[in-house]
Amino acid sequence: SYELTQPPSVSVSPGQTARITCSGDALPSKYASWYQQRSGQAPVLLIYEDTKRPSGIPERFSGSSSGTMATLTISGAQVEDEADYYCYSTDSSASQRVFGGGTKLTVL
Amino acid sequence: QVQLQESGPGLVKPSGTLSLTCAVSGGSISSSDWWSWVRQPPGKGLEWIGEIYHSGNTNYIPSLKSRITISVDKSKNQFSLELSSMTAADTAVYYCARAVYSSGQCRFDPWGQGILVTVSS
Repeated sequence: SYELTQPPSVSVSPGQTARITCSGDALPSKYASWYQQRSGQAPVLLIYEDTKRPSGIPERFSGSSSGTMATLTISGAQVEDEADYYCYSTDSSASQRVFGGGTKLTVL
Repeated sequence: QVQLQESGPGLVKPSGTLSLTCAVSGGSISSSDWWSWVRQPPGKGLEWIGEIYHSGNTNYIPSLKSRITISVDKSKNQFSLELSSMTAADTAVYYCARAVYSSGQCRFDPWGQGILVTVSS
């Protein structure tokens, strides 16, 4: 079965840049999206089609993709950005729709 | 803007059937979007389980295909999830979400607040 692999945790100090990666064999041909889930809350869409940011999402959140890896970058991370982050994509035939295992971001 | 709200029982007996409804407001369920269910076991990650189009076309995760049914009620602007033969492994927060397709890929936006479903006798 298809898998997207994320690091379990990332830690940065306030104001630093946080990078969360998502690795998958089909990412060269399939877009990824990214979601933020604060504790006890529903996920929120941060990035779609690898790099696009929905209206209302702060500019410090950006996405990129190269080869089999998509990356979510948080420039100047803030304490309020502490959350779990998930990537989503599909296999090359779009028959398997999967989320990555999630990355817990700590900002302190 | 579109808002989603799940409703249904928070407790299901083992071997029972889960029935949840997602009410769509601020937009039409007959739009060009799909409508999905995603679940999250306590302390674990997200799992997409299925989606429906207003025409009634569905897609399901293979591991649940024998137990899951997603339906749509256009007159009430809502869609529903039924999951039969429930076990403790199905205990999770169940979210409904709009699946927006563009450039050959979908994104989930927005999401409902989620509903915790516990399987226990």
